[in-house]
Amino acid sequence: QVQLRESGPGLVRPSETLSLTCAVSGYSISSGYYWGWIRQPPGKGLEWIGNMYHSGSTYYNPSLKSRVTISLDTSKNQFSLRVNSVTAADTAVYYCARLPGSGKFDYWGQGTLVTVSS
Amino acid sequence: QSALTQPPSASGSPGQSVTVSCTGTSSDVGDYNYVSWYQQHPGKAPKLMIYEVSKRPSGVPDRFSGSKSGNTASLTVSGLQAEDEADYYCSSYAGSANYVFGTGTKVTVL
Repeated sequence: QVQLRESGPGLVRPSETLSLTCAVSGYSISSGYYWGWIRQPPGKGLEWIGNMYHSGSTYYNPSLKSRVTISLDTSKNQFSLRVNSVTAADTAVYYCARLPGSGKFDYWGQGTLVTVSS
Repeated sequence: QSALTQPPSASGSPGQSVTVSCTGTSSDVGDYNYVSWYQQHPGKAPKLMIYEVSKRPSGVPDRFSGSKSGNTASLTVSGLQAEDEADYYCSSYAGSANYVFGTGTKVTVL
């Protein structure tokens, strides 16, 4: 059974960098597929942040592209998200997910709330 | 890329059907058959219910069905049950490995 679990600080100061990790079990991320991040501000809808292919290619939401980096650590079977220069607008529940193709996010982490506040 | 447009709310009585629309553009919904639907209960992660417009993952009841016409996709839940009360989001492939989600619809079982 494929499982994903997000981890990272729950509070980040404005202008600093948000860093999250998604640990994957039940599937080797180096074997294939895309791995992505989605966020959901409190009481609002889902927003796609970006994906990374197992080979290393990355694709980002144009609205966030200048501040976002996704990377893979195949030795630990995990992938990470970094968002630079955060503001209160980046406060959200952040989800990691697997994209096996066909445009679907089939496995999701449980989500982690990140609050941007001084 | 702009969010796909969904009605804020929809409702139906137990046993009835409810349909949720998802309107995009010729660059996303209208151009690809990669529309997915997700169910989200409060405080929970989204769950994949429909992919490639009308396909159901294993374990999803056949009460859930999807379709598409032009730039608009639809999710229909037939034989509504209490546990179907949730938020529903559509998503579409938008080219160049980009994706876009819908604004979300709260489905209420009366």
